[in-house]
Amino acid sequence: DIQMTQSPSSLSASVGDRVTITCRTSQTINNYLNWYQQKPGKAPSLLIYTVSTLGSGVPSRFIGSGSGTDFTLTINNVQPEDFATYYCQHSFYTPYTFGQGTKLEIK
Amino acid sequence: QITLKESGPALVKPTQTLTLTCTLSGFSLSNNGMRVSWIRLSPGKALEWLARIDWDDDKYYSPALKTRLTVSKDNSNTQVFLTMTNVDPVDTGTYYCARASRYGDLDFWGQGTRVTVSS
Repeated sequence: DIQMTQSPSSLSASVGDRVTITCRTSQTINNYLNWYQQKPGKAPSLLIYTVSTLGSGVPSRFIGSGSGTDFTLTINNVQPEDFATYYCQHSFYTPYTFGQGTKLEIK
Repeated sequence: QITLKESGPALVKPTQTLTLTCTLSGFSLSNNGMRVSWIRLSPGKALEWLARIDWDDDKYYSPALKTRLTVSKDNSNTQVFLTMTNVDPVDTGTYYCARASRYGDLDFWGQGTRVTVSS
């Protein structure tokens, strides 16, 4: 199985900040790296797929980047609705493992 | 409009078998390339991918749960089922089904169904 190491596990930020979340995979995954946002009591929603492609309706302040085994989710100009938990996931082959999650909290 | 909706028992006893249903709308699992995955979120834990079934009836499982899981679909290709045998309190959580795109990302999710395993 491919292991996903996501950091940090939690992060405090103010509205308007830029935040960065990283995800490292235990092997190369041919850019099959996805990011999800989950708010309490809600289903996760797709933010970014294949490293950097925005999901439908996702604001452009969400930016995905990276290659090889190291990937990053950057949120520019954090908005109040962005406070949530974020997960990376690979979809190179099954099992499609997720990272441990990053909880973005209001400072 | 693509939607998925999970349903199943809210409470099951330890050692029992849990069966969940995912009802698809706006797409059919009979179409080439369609795939549906099951994922769960247990209290205090991260999302966990459980299983996937494809349009051609190929099936894939989490190695950690493989011996306890069965994924299947109905003949109309509008419902997907997940069966988990010998449940334990650690299986408590919210279970989601989601459509997987051709890249494997989960682009549409159900609302989730909460399952508690307790005697």
